[in-house]
This record gives sequence, C-alpha cells and structure tokens, in this order.
Amino acid sequence: EPEVTQTPSHQVTQMGQEVILRCVPISNHLYFYWYRQILGQKVEFLVSFYNNEISEKSEIFDDQFSVERPDGSNFTLKIRSTKLEDSAMYFCASSEMAANQPQHFGDGTRLSIL
Amino acid sequence: AQSVSQHNHHVILSEAASLELGCNYSYGGTVNLFWYVQYPGQHLQLLLKYFSGDPLVKGIKGFEAEFIKSKFSFNLRKPSVQWSDTAEYFCAVRRYSGGYQKVTFGTGTKLQVIP
Repeated sequence: EPEVTQTPSHQVTQMGQEVILRCVPISNHLYFYWYRQILGQKVEFLVSFYNNEISEKSEIFDDQFSVERPDGSNFTLKIRSTKLEDSAMYFCASSEMAANQPQHFGDGTRLSIL
Repeated sequence: AQSVSQHNHHVILSEAASLELGCNYSYGGTVNLFWYVQYPGQHLQLLLKYFSGDPLVKGIKGFEAEFIKSKFSFNLRKPSVQWSDTAEYFCAVRRYSGGYQKVTFGTGTKLQVIP
C-alpha cells in the first residue's frame, strides 16, 4: 500500500536556525497538509495546500512558516527562525481530493529545538 | 469556532473489558467524522470514518463508532479490548466547502489495556 514518507525522522536544531521538513505524499494525491503535535497535546492543523497554493492555514501558521512543492513529488515545511516552542512532532498528510477520502499520514518528524 | 471534545483523557481497562470513548463536536454543518489511532512511537492510522448513510460504522480491528447527529457525538466502541489496543485514540472532525477542508482533532484519549 502506498505511504506518505517523511524525512528526517528526527531533527535537532539550534534556536533561531532555519529548518526544512520534507514529505513525499502519495503519488496520485492532490491535497497536502501539515499538522503538529506538541508532546502531550492534541494534533493541530497547520496548513493545507492544493494546486500549488495554500488553501487554508491556522493561526499557528504565521510568517515564520512556509510550504512549498518544489517538484512533482516533495512537499516541504520550512520554519524560518525556530523557537523553543516549535519543538513538536510534525505530521504530513495527503488525500486524493477534499471530500470522500480520508487523509493518509506520514510517520512524522520529531523536531527538537535546543 | 469548531471544537472537538474527548472527555476521557486516560482510560485503563483489563483485557476483555468493553470500551467506549466519547467524542463530541460543536460544528453544526455537514461534517465527516474520523477516529485515528496512534500506537506508541508510530504515526496516526485511520481506524474508521463516517461520511453518510448508516450511522453505525465498523472499522478495523473490531472497532465501531456510532454517529448520533442530535447529540453531535461519534463515540468509539469495542466489545472486548486486547493488550495490543494500548494506544492513543483521536477523534477528528472535518468540515469542507468546495475544494477546501478543515480538520480539527480532539485532545486524544490514552488507552492502557492491562493483561
């Protein structure tokens, strides 16, 4: 069964540094998402992306965050200047279309900001 | 604002006990409902989903959930839990309009099954 893959599995970064989290969605999927889960808390929606543009974003997704689909397969989340509170598990998800299909999640990238 | 409530934060059961995890949402429009499971150290996996039709949906591993529209609820059930069901369970609600969608997750319920 096709899977969403995320790299790296664990990223350790100094506060203030830029970080890029990478995701390869399932190949025929058209909608892409990023979520985060701070340790012990619920999964929070960050952003959805369709047709090469952001379709919706949450209040968490401020100017420090950006997403990009640089080629036909990757979907990246960039945090420009990381803060301690960005430490979390970041999940990428993709779906075939907005309705009638669930999102498939990757294994997540654990981001630790020092 | 759309919210999803899971009232049980931590549930401890013995093997073979029955399970019911509550999920309530606040959004009044058309919604899709999901339960995801996250085993320790693993990613979120879809257990079951409801879009329309029969409000009692059956998922993988013997789980089922019932959508009660009047109560804005989508409770997860399993008649007899196993040790391998130890995991965190998340309810999620999706509302969509045209090509856009917004998914909101509940805070999760940690289930611990004791052998």
